[in-house]
Amino acid sequence: NAGVMQNPRHLVRRRGQEARLRCSPMKGHSHVYWYRQLPEEGLKFMVYLQKENIIDESGMPKERFSAEFPKEGPSILRIQQVVRGDSAAYFCASSLRAGEMNEQYFGPGTRLTVT
Amino acid sequence: AQTVTQSQPEMSVQEAETVTLSCTYDTSESDYYLFWYKQPPSRQMILVIRQEAYKQQNATENRFSVNFQKAAKSFSLKISDSQLGDAAMYFCAYRSAKVGTDKLIFGTGTRLQVFP
Repeated sequence: NAGVMQNPRHLVRRRGQEARLRCSPMKGHSHVYWYRQLPEEGLKFMVYLQKENIIDESGMPKERFSAEFPKEGPSILRIQQVVRGDSAAYFCASSLRAGEMNEQYFGPGTRLTVT
Repeated sequence: AQTVTQSQPEMSVQEAETVTLSCTYDTSESDYYLFWYKQPPSRQMILVIRQEAYKQQNATENRFSVNFQKAAKSFSLKISDSQLGDAAMYFCAYRSAKVGTDKLIFGTGTRLQVFP
């Protein structure tokens, strides 16, 4: 049973380019969460999606960032016109259901470097 | 808004000894969940242990146990018989029990070193 998959594992972008980060949840999981970890810091929540719906985007920057989780295919975190401050590790997690003590299973992360 | 504080940036322990990592949190909610995650150098986040706030009994998972003090809003992690493989960053996390608020709120982490 494959775990949460993220690709690419490492991504280098120049300032102004677009970054697309992909997350395939565990089989049967329909809830996806994106977190960002800046160097030497804890993870910060960005967005929570369920198939085709954004449930909570309270942690998403207002501009340049968007996320989707289509009916078919992986969840995508998209960062337009990247800046150096976007350099971080981006983690995706998935869960089987919401509420109660659902466990969020994390992927290995994508390390984004903006040059 | 809820916050999680880990006041120990670094801790160290001798192999086979016991170490306790501290975590405090702030919330006005009465029902919530608390977690400890381990992040080894591979950066993969691994769930170590979890606790429901309505349960008075402290959670235990093999060598890992917690001391949950709800009134004091404290949730420390005790690692017994420490092993070299326990060396990692440890993050304390909070999650509300309210429907639709499944996000985890993390502390800044404690780096644990284990010496042979």
